[in-house]
Amino acid sequence: DAKTTQPTSMDCAEGRAANLPCNHSTISGNEYVYWYRQIHSQGPQYIIHGLKNNETNEMASLIITEDRKSSTLILPHATLRDTAVYYCIVRNEGSRLTFGEGTQLTVNP
Amino acid sequence: KAGVTQTPRYLIKTRGQQVTLSCSPISGHRSVSWYQQTPGQGLQFLFEYFSETQRNKGNFPGRFSGRQFSNSRSEMNVSTLELGDSALYLCASSLAHDSGSQNTGELFFGEGSRLTVL
Repeated sequence: DAKTTQPTSMDCAEGRAANLPCNHSTISGNEYVYWYRQIHSQGPQYIIHGLKNNETNEMASLIITEDRKSSTLILPHATLRDTAVYYCIVRNEGSRLTFGEGTQLTVNP
Repeated sequence: KAGVTQTPRYLIKTRGQQVTLSCSPISGHRSVSWYQQTPGQGLQFLFEYFSETQRNKGNFPGRFSGRQFSNSRSEMNVSTLELGDSALYLCASSLAHDSGSQNTGELFFGEGSRLTVL
């Protein structure tokens, strides 16, 4: 599975959009981009995934560039409860999910 | 519906002992994965089971083993515990696309079992 690169940490003001970037320049055509988050002392939580089209659900939006070498997870109106480590994962269908270091997002009041 | 249930939530063992952790997946989920999380190594994949068969295994020594029962419940066992085995052990369940056992990648994690080895 392709490797991903994320910033170590980010800050966001409460109520503003949080845009979390992820680089996956070696992604192959059949690999999906997944996003999970882990709030302190809890198990990771699935957020969203996509292949090449942008995706949106009740939690977030996923924007994937046309060349698929990078993506951005958007939390449209961040709240204090969105403070967590966000993991961007590239995965081939059927293979394991490999978690990297992730981005520590801190939402400030 | 009920989420993934892991027991026990916390436990303390001493070096050389063995431990068994249990995971009950979401009803209808047939795939169960186990992960170890430590501050130094992050989330590390241990193994994955589907229909009582181990499908994937991570790079852990043979002291780490697991199994899955016919009702999809899973257990993992660590024998001859070492101090470095202190960690949060997370179980995750997921649907499989079909009997060909491809999981969807959408994992539902439990709260974890926090093991401390003294």
